[in-house]
Amino acid sequence: NAGVTQTPKFRILKIGQSMTLQCTQDMNHNYMYWYRQDPGMGLKLIYYSVGAGITDKGEVPNGYNVSRSTTEDFPLRLELAAPSQTSVYFCASSRTGRSSSDEQYFGPGTRLTVT
Amino acid sequence: QKEVEQNSGPLSVPEGAIASLNCTYSDRGSQSFFWYRQYSGKSPELIMFIYSNGDKEDGRFTAQLNKASQYVSLLIRDSQPSDSATYLCAVNMGYGGSQGNLIFGKGTKLSVKP
Repeated sequence: NAGVTQTPKFRILKIGQSMTLQCTQDMNHNYMYWYRQDPGMGLKLIYYSVGAGITDKGEVPNGYNVSRSTTEDFPLRLELAAPSQTSVYFCASSRTGRSSSDEQYFGPGTRLTVT
Repeated sequence: QKEVEQNSGPLSVPEGAIASLNCTYSDRGSQSFFWYRQYSGKSPELIMFIYSNGDKEDGRFTAQLNKASQYVSLLIRDSQPSDSATYLCAVNMGYGGSQGNLIFGKGTKLSVKP
């Protein structure tokens, strides 16, 4: 199993550009998540999904959009990139999200800079 | 506002000592608690989870939970230089459809000196 994979690893965007961060998991997990991590900070939840076709906002959704057309894929779309979106983005997945012990598995991250 | 608080550190301990990492949380209804380790430039990886009051041991790691005090800690015995990393405390404060959602603390940076 590859686990959770993310592309690209690094990206530099100009202000106002758009891009999609890709996330794929091969563990047949129902729950998927997008986080951002700013320097010296913990992870903030952007969006999450409890299954194909179902998504919901997390703590910091503004400026982002998601879709979940398959169990495996959970892309994150940035529209009109702003310097405040400079961060490291992590995708994660968990089997159900309904167990007190359900572990979230993280992808390697995408380091995004907006200038 | 749901919050998870950790001392940012850095916490420096000599090799072989016990490292003690602490975390407090705001939501009294929180159900489960996780400790993740994150090496610099890498993604978080789960070390332990705990959901019952008391201690839970796994090798050199012990998680301690006190729900009345809204406090969770991680002890690392016989600390090794390879334990040097940032330790993230995460709390499940979700309900219903967001039951899988975790609130993360900012992390405590641990440095183990040879």
